[in-house]
Amino acid sequence: GENVEQHPSTLSVQEGDSAVIKCTYSDSASNYFPWYKQELGKGPQLIIDIRSNVGEKKDQRIAVTLNKTAKHFSLHITETQPEDSAVYFCAASIGGSARQLTFGSGTQLTVLP
Amino acid sequence: SAVISQKPSRDICQRGTSLTIQCQVDSQVTMMFWYRQQPGQSLTLIATANQGSEATYESGFVIDKFPISRPNLTFSTLTVSNMSPEDSSIYLCSVEQGVGTQYFGPGTRLLVL
Repeated sequence: GENVEQHPSTLSVQEGDSAVIKCTYSDSASNYFPWYKQELGKGPQLIIDIRSNVGEKKDQRIAVTLNKTAKHFSLHITETQPEDSAVYFCAASIGGSARQLTFGSGTQLTVLP
Repeated sequence: SAVISQKPSRDICQRGTSLTIQCQVDSQVTMMFWYRQQPGQSLTLIATANQGSEATYESGFVIDKFPISRPNLTFSTLTVSNMSPEDSSIYLCSVEQGVGTQYFGPGTRLLVL
């Protein structure tokens, strides 16, 4: 089955700096890659996703890049703010009839004021 | 995106008892999923619940321990049976909207004493 590895497990940045979280996946058939933000005491919130037919997607301060050849994808957050502090999870899905998501282990992002 | 609610939001239970968690969605969805998130860990899929058919369980999860109902397109329940302290976790339901895109509920935080 699919295996998703996520790095780093913790990340601290100064407010205004950029943050990058990286994930690798094992199954070349995976074609959907969402990112979730989970704040303390809440459920995961979908913040951005990318499908395998594009290499990059951007939404304001958040961007995701995908390298299908290397089987890795990354989340980029620019101009970080204290409210960006949360746990971020990447995930991968093979799609089709097997639409289950396989999650990475999570990254605790702390934005220092 | 769908608005998802879960009841209860949290509970403290005695070992050997059972707890039923409800998941309600504000629109009709075909696929619903139940996940477990152990303290400080990532999300693990328990089962996929489709209306009108038996739930499909992932390896390591069995129907006797985690019976699921899916009576209609907006509602599902997960029961955690004969609980032990190892069942202390966050239980999350999610729904699929669009191809492969999942949105999560706020979670049920369970502590078993």
